[in-house]
Amino acid sequence: AQSVTQPDIHITVSEGASLELRCNYSYGATPYLFWYVQSPGQGLQLLLKYFSGDTLVQGIKGFEAEFKRSQSSFNLRKPSVHWSDAAEYFCAVGASGANNLFFGTGTRLTVIP
Amino acid sequence: EPEVTQTPSHQVTQMGQEVILRCVPISNHLYFYWYRQILGQKVEFLVSFYNNEISEKSEIFDDQFSVERPDGSNFTLKIRSTKLEDSAMYFCARSTGIQFFGPGTRLTVL
Repeated sequence: AQSVTQPDIHITVSEGASLELRCNYSYGATPYLFWYVQSPGQGLQLLLKYFSGDTLVQGIKGFEAEFKRSQSSFNLRKPSVHWSDAAEYFCAVGASGANNLFFGTGTRLTVIP
Repeated sequence: EPEVTQTPSHQVTQMGQEVILRCVPISNHLYFYWYRQILGQKVEFLVSFYNNEISEKSEIFDDQFSVERPDGSNFTLKIRSTKLEDSAMYFCARSTGIQFFGPGTRLTVL
């Protein structure tokens, strides 16, 4: 069965500190992996995606993620967090960009001055 | 990227009423999706729509729900006889190989 686990419900970091949000997936086929961000009252914005190739992918707003097949993980990282990064982050997996996506429960990021 | 707009942004309805949520893609895409997010929970897939037909649906998408693209542009989700548990954020998405989401419609069933 397909599933996505985001073990951290809520993370608080100081502005300027590094960030890593965890994502583990279970998927029966080759996964297409995504990270979306949701600001309060807003829709889902795509941060980055992994389809194939280089396992370290770069996204918008200075985010990157690394696909580790052996660990079934796709963790999101940012070297220096900005206050505007405070939001809810969702990891998602699908069979392609066109197939339905399975989302994790999300990680809420709080950034403190 | 071209956007998807959704109307209304917030819909309040009485239990048992029918609601229609609308999604308007800026460009003419073939793949559309509806997802929902109950408050505090994860985003869940409802249905995908390709070339004016349902291509896949989840177990959530029962006979209470229907989708159509009546005029070739608007993509609608109809919920018949709404229940309290239908209260959620409903997102439309379109795909060109990557799914881009609209801002959502918040449905409140009283």
